[in-house]
Amino acid sequence: DAGITQSPRHKVTETGTPVTLRCHQTENHRYMYWYRQDPGHGLRLIHYSYGVKDTDKGEVSDGYSVSRSKTEDFLLTLESATSSQTSVYFCAISESLAGNSDEQFFGPGTRLTVL
Amino acid sequence: AQSVTQLDSHVSVSEGTPVLLRCNYSSSYSPSLFWYVQHPNKGLQLLLKYTSAATLVKGINGFEAEFKKSETSFHLTKPSAHMSDAAEYFCVVSEGRAGGSQGNLIFGKGTKLSVKP
Repeated sequence: DAGITQSPRHKVTETGTPVTLRCHQTENHRYMYWYRQDPGHGLRLIHYSYGVKDTDKGEVSDGYSVSRSKTEDFLLTLESATSSQTSVYFCAISESLAGNSDEQFFGPGTRLTVL
Repeated sequence: AQSVTQLDSHVSVSEGTPVLLRCNYSSSYSPSLFWYVQHPNKGLQLLLKYTSAATLVKGINGFEAEFKKSETSFHLTKPSAHMSDAAEYFCVVSEGRAGGSQGNLIFGKGTKLSVKP
């Protein structure tokens, strides 16, 4: 998976609790992305990063925050988890910003269940 | 605004027969187009990409796709299906920098391919 790991791989939590998902890359790629995948929706972009401490919102950013203090790590935080955030979360990386034809490489995913 | 429509949510073929997964896109600028495959409980893997060079693009595992601007289509094909091709396939569009990209790939909703023995 192009040197991308996600942790944890599975998590069950309760409504109202904070949750942090971690994406770690060993490729030294500048751009990192967080997506969520839901049946019938494909993948939707939550947030992305274009460098250390540089992030921007995607299509479905409400209820999520991100941080990138090092090139290799991109954290996704659900500030107060809700059942609608039950999903599979994918991290992706690319050498250049999406739109420049460079492919994105995806991690193995994290399955999050909010009860 | 860019969008992607995968015309079939589920396609079923017999092993050894041709595969056709249909994708139509909408984009205001010169798009880049991708097909990704996702096997059960796995991440996504790039099959092929179109970036304004040859309109017929060859990918991995015998797949290919043809970019047809007049039809705004980017259908994925394979001459002979194999059992290992059973997976979900995503058509993806991305605009070039002129489109003011905010770092977003637009994914279709996916087509599940089943392959019968």
